[in-house]
Amino acid sequence: ILNVEQSPQSLHVQEGDSTNFTCSFPSSNFYALHWYRWETAKSPEALFVMTLNGDEKKKGRISATLNTKEGYSYLYIKGSQPEDSATYLCAYGERGNNRLAFGKGNQVVVIP
Amino acid sequence: EAQVTQNPRYLITVTGKKLTVTCSQNMNHEYMSWYRQDPGLGLRQIYYSMNVEVTDKGDVPEGYKVSRKEKRNFPLILESPSPNQTSLYFCASSSLPGQGALWGYTFGSGTRLTVV
Repeated sequence: ILNVEQSPQSLHVQEGDSTNFTCSFPSSNFYALHWYRWETAKSPEALFVMTLNGDEKKKGRISATLNTKEGYSYLYIKGSQPEDSATYLCAYGERGNNRLAFGKGNQVVVIP
Repeated sequence: EAQVTQNPRYLITVTGKKLTVTCSQNMNHEYMSWYRQDPGLGLRQIYYSMNVEVTDKGDVPEGYKVSRKEKRNFPLILESPSPNQTSLYFCASSSLPGQGALWGYTFGSGTRLTVV
């Protein structure tokens, strides 16, 4: 079983503040790293898929970076808004393995 | 609209009564998978399928069966449900992992199952 760790597990952020959180994964046999956004009562939706060390992706106020050599990815939210409240899941794909291993998620609550 | 359709959304059943949760995708994806979500445990894979008639166990396959007779459908079967299978279930699909890993998974809307 692949070990994917996300921290912190949950965080409260004041509206307008920026925040970030971490996904750690095995650094050997890396293939891909996914980030998903999961709102309550909905299904997870893909935010980013990253495959190369040093990749940076951005969608609106949300961005992500990838370090495959040390096995971590950061997700940043700039100027948090209440609609950013969700659980953010990262998932690690290992080369030669047909599966994604998901972390437990970073639950973000943006306080108006 | 490209989507993964799961049914039912909610289901309450009794211990031992066989049930099937259906999953269908309209994107011609080769890869389909079932996950369960439990508090504090994250998404755990139950079974996955690389293509028609090709299925394999995930991390928590005990008590579940699947079949892949057609490319678009991947039903999850609980032959004799037990209370520890009460959970939120998601079906997901993608192009073959080598490609799906580049484009991400599409998830169904989820099925909340309660076994009493």
